[in-house]
Order: sequence, then C-alpha cells, then structure tokens
Amino acid sequence: EAGVTQFPSHSVIEKGQTVTLRCDPISGHDNLYWYRRVMGKEIKFLLHFVKESKQDESGMPNNRFLAERTGGTYSTLKVQPAELEDSGVYFCASSQRGAETQYFGPGTRLLVL
Amino acid sequence: AQSVTQLGSHVSVSEGALVLLRCNYSSSVPPYLFWYVQYPNQGLQLLLKYTSAATLVKGINGFEAEFKKSETSFHLTKPSAHMSDAAEYFCAVSFTGGGNKLTFGTGTQLKVEL
Repeated sequence: EAGVTQFPSHSVIEKGQTVTLRCDPISGHDNLYWYRRVMGKEIKFLLHFVKESKQDESGMPNNRFLAERTGGTYSTLKVQPAELEDSGVYFCASSQRGAETQYFGPGTRLLVL
Repeated sequence: AQSVTQLGSHVSVSEGALVLLRCNYSSSVPPYLFWYVQYPNQGLQLLLKYTSAATLVKGINGFEAEFKKSETSFHLTKPSAHMSDAAEYFCAVSFTGGGNKLTFGTGTQLKVEL
C-alpha cells in the first residue's frame, strides 16, 4: 500500500510568487490534514478535509492560503502571493474515517526568498 | 484547549544507555496521545499511540510510553539506545471531538554518542 505522497519535495520561490503544493493521501482515507512547521517552532495544524469538504480551517494563517480537495482524493495548497514568513516544511497527513491515527507524508520544504 | 510540552529540545545519550524523552500534555477532555519520529530527510513516522486502552504502550523499535493521568505525562523510553535512534521526536495530542487534529510539542532532537 502506497503511503502519503507530497510534491514537490522542495520549492524555492521569490517573495510575491505563487506556489502550489500537492498531497496524495493513502487510498481510501477520507480525512486529509495539512500541517506546517516554521523553522525552530512546533508543527502546527492548518486545516482538515473530510472527503472534499473543509471540516476545520481554523489554522490557516490568512487568505493568501487556499486549499482544495476536488473529488475527495488529492489536495492542493496554494500560497499566493508568498511572503518570507511562509517558509517552512508543509506536511500532509491522512487517516481513515473515524480513526485517530494519521499517516504523514515526507513534507514539502518551501523557501521564500 | 490542548497543549503539549516537551522538556529538552536536545537530549544526548550514550549508545546502550536509557533513553527518556519527556512529554506533558494539557487537555480538558480525554486525550489521544502520540509519539512520532522524524529521521533526517524523512517524514513523520508513528512510533506509538495511546487511545484509552492499556496505559503502557509499546511501539516500534523497542520504544514504549506510559500514560499517567495524574501527572498528565506521556514520557517515551527505550532501555538501550542505538545509533540508529538519532532523530527528532515529537509528542502530540488530539481528541475525537476535535476532528482528531494534532497538537504537537516543539520536538526533541535525540543524539546518540558512542
């Protein structure tokens, strides 16, 4: 069984540009989560999808971040326009319906210059 | 609101020595507790979890943790450290009513020396 995959693994962009991160959850997992770790700080929750619906987006920093999960399969997280403080590692995780255990992807390392 | 405190951002042990990584949590409802590990250049891997069954939980690679409600702790231990245990360890808490979103501690970097 394939695990959670994320693309790209690394991204270096300039301030003001747009970046789109992609997450493919484990097949059949209804729950999909996005988290972010800014350097030196804890991993923080961004948002939670149940299938294609946003269940909780209380962790989204501001309206420069847009997450989608069309069809309830893969998800994208777009940052537009990117700012310096958006640099960090973005993790995606998925879990089965009703399950408490989340399985994480390898993360996307975003650097905004 | 939930929170997690990991004491010690860096812990160094000798190979063969006991590993003890501390985690204290705060939760107003019965929590689920997790330890994840991140090896260099890899993603987060689940080590073990507590979900209200046995209070002593055994995980992968010889790690275990004990849920102590009275102390609000969930410390991670391993009797004998191995060089391959060098990694960053994260304690996290969630609860079922909150969509199971995880609240993480700041992480503990474990160094294992010869």
